[in-house]
Amino acid sequence: EIVVTQSPATLSLSPGERATLSCRASQSISSYLGWYQQKPGQAPRLLIYDASNRATGIPARFSGSGSGTDFTLTISSLEPEDFAVYYCQQRSNWPLTFGGGTKVEIK
Amino acid sequence: QVHLVESGGGLVKPGGSLRLSCAASGFTLTDSSMNWIRQAPGKGLEWVSYITKSGTTILYADSVKGRFTTSRDSAKNSLYLQMNSLTAEDTAVYYCAREIYYGGHSLSPWNDPWGQGTLVTVSS
Repeated sequence: EIVVTQSPATLSLSPGERATLSCRASQSISSYLGWYQQKPGQAPRLLIYDASNRATGIPARFSGSGSGTDFTLTISSLEPEDFAVYYCQQRSNWPLTFGGGTKVEIK
Repeated sequence: QVHLVESGGGLVKPGGSLRLSCAASGFTLTDSSMNWIRQAPGKGLEWVSYITKSGTTILYADSVKGRFTTSRDSAKNSLYLQMNSLTAEDTAVYYCAREIYYGGHSLSPWNDPWGQGTLVTVSS
């Protein structure tokens, strides 16, 4: 099983600041990585697929990068609606595995 | 518009059974692979089961293998998760999610969209 590890667990930032979230896979997964956003009481929503492509309707302030084992989600300038929990997920091997999540909270 | 609605959650005693449903609209289930994914209260996401669009391959997480069964009804355009021998560790919100190849060209399919989820609570 591929273990996916996210860091940090919590990120405390102010609106307008840049957020950098990390995701590391226990073995190479090429670019088979996605990022999801989850707000309280809601289902997760796909933000980024194939490590660096924005899903439909996702604002340009969200960007993804990386390949192999190390990946990054960057939010260039935090908007109030961006404070949420973010998960990464690998789709390279079964079982599908998710990182433990990074909570982006208002400082 | 693509939409998924889960139902069937509730309170069940340890050792009991429950069947979850996932009604799809805006697309045909036989055109997409699907996942069941769960989230224990206050915890992260855990993949549970996968079914191919043909229905010929069904996969399960080790934690539910032998206890959970995924099926679908093409006429009702619905996906099901039969859960038996439930334990407290199965307490979670259960989501169904469609897998799609984004733009028809992505490297692999991704979960989009997800249903709103249905809560399963296993407790005596």
